[in-house]
Amino acid sequence: QVQLVESGGGVVQPGRSLTLSCAASGFTFGHYAMHWVRQAPGKGLEWVAVIAYDGSNIYYADSAKGRFTISRANPRNTLYLQMNSLRTEDSAVYYCAREEYGEYYFDYWGQGTLVTVSS
Amino acid sequence: QSVLTQPPSVSAAPGQDVTISCSGASSNIGNNYVSWYQQLPGTAPKLLIYDNEKRPSEIPDRFSGSKSGTSATLDITGLQAGDEADYFCGSWLGGRRVFGTGTKVTVL
Repeated sequence: QVQLVESGGGVVQPGRSLTLSCAASGFTFGHYAMHWVRQAPGKGLEWVAVIAYDGSNIYYADSAKGRFTISRANPRNTLYLQMNSLRTEDSAVYYCAREEYGEYYFDYWGQGTLVTVSS
Repeated sequence: QSVLTQPPSVSAAPGQDVTISCSGASSNIGNNYVSWYQQLPGTAPKLLIYDNEKRPSEIPDRFSGSKSGTSATLDITGLQAGDEADYFCGSWLGGRRVFGTGTKVTVL
């Protein structure tokens, strides 16, 4: 069965960096675009970034542009989100989500990993 | 930062029907598909509706979606206690994806 498992969350000070990972299994990882979506405590969903199935196209939300980097390692079935210059407003649960090529919806989501930015 | 607008909350008694609206613009909903997600308390979102009106096989037909112009609608018929959750619409804008503000459904 399809599984997406995020890891790497934790407590980090403002201005520091953190890298999240998303381990995929149960499907051909290299055939799917992958996204990061976050949700601040008690708030709605906020789309963060997307990377095409082969890494050829990448888009970021304005809030992530210039500070976050999405990447993937298809042989290792893993998605990454490197987050630099973290701010308190980046505190959220970060989900990875799968999107089939040519489609525009998230058909599977991970369970999320919590990032808390605090001094 | 959400560009799609939903009512903050709707409520109804078990067995009744509810409708959730999602309002956008020509740049997102008006020219692209809409999807809907259900988020039960303490869990990750789950796909409910895609391509405006299609349901994954495991989603009961009590859930239905539609789109007209720059707005979309999620209908839940025969409301059940297990439907109490947050519901989000989604669409896309260029290469980016956008979500609605979210609607909390309360079963009275």
